[in-house]
Amino acid sequence: KNQVEQSPQSLIILEGKNCTLQCNYTVSPFSNLRWYKQDTGRGPVSLTIMTFSENTKSNGRYTATLDADTKQSSLHITASQLSDSASYICVVINVPAYSGAGSYQLTFGKGTKLSVIP
Amino acid sequence: GAVVSQHPSRVICKSGTSVKIECRSLDFQATTMFWYRQFPKQSLMLMATSNEGSKATYEQGVEKDKFLINHASLTLSTLTVTSAHPEDSSFYICSARILLDSAEQYFGPGTRLTVT
Repeated sequence: KNQVEQSPQSLIILEGKNCTLQCNYTVSPFSNLRWYKQDTGRGPVSLTIMTFSENTKSNGRYTATLDADTKQSSLHITASQLSDSASYICVVINVPAYSGAGSYQLTFGKGTKLSVIP
Repeated sequence: GAVVSQHPSRVICKSGTSVKIECRSLDFQATTMFWYRQFPKQSLMLMATSNEGSKATYEQGVEKDKFLINHASLTLSTLTVTSAHPEDSSFYICSARILLDSAEQYFGPGTRLTVT
């Protein structure tokens, strides 16, 4: 069964500090992995997309890593800001065997709820 | 670009009534639209996939007669929750895909449904 596990479930950090969120997955066959930011009461917004061959990708203060061998990914946030308070969701995309075009499946993690406090 | 809107953002209805939620792609045509449901502290759960002009494909365990999906155009999909019950109270999120062979989905802002 395809699963995406995220840790920690929640995290509180002081403004200006760094933090790292973890994502472990058992999705196969792997296509790519995405990190989304979801503000409370809003839809998810894409932060990064990691393909099988990519180890690290940055988007401003967000840096995602991927280890396809151990099936782990992390999202590192540097110099946190109050506006970073949100849920961060790890999503792994796979293409089932013998499927037609467009048959991508998305497996969502439960997210890590990050609270940045002054 | 690639903006998806939902209407309404919040709705409260009485048990037994029906509620319609709209999902629109504002600046692109969507080959496919998806409907998700999210309970507190839970993952987004895919309910159904819809392509313009054809019947929606529902995930296992989702009642198609209860959650009616209409995808009338390349920019509009609607989800109607019929005979709503309190357990249908949830956060409903739609997403849209531009290219058939792409996994990229653009999510709407969600609709908070509360059934009293």
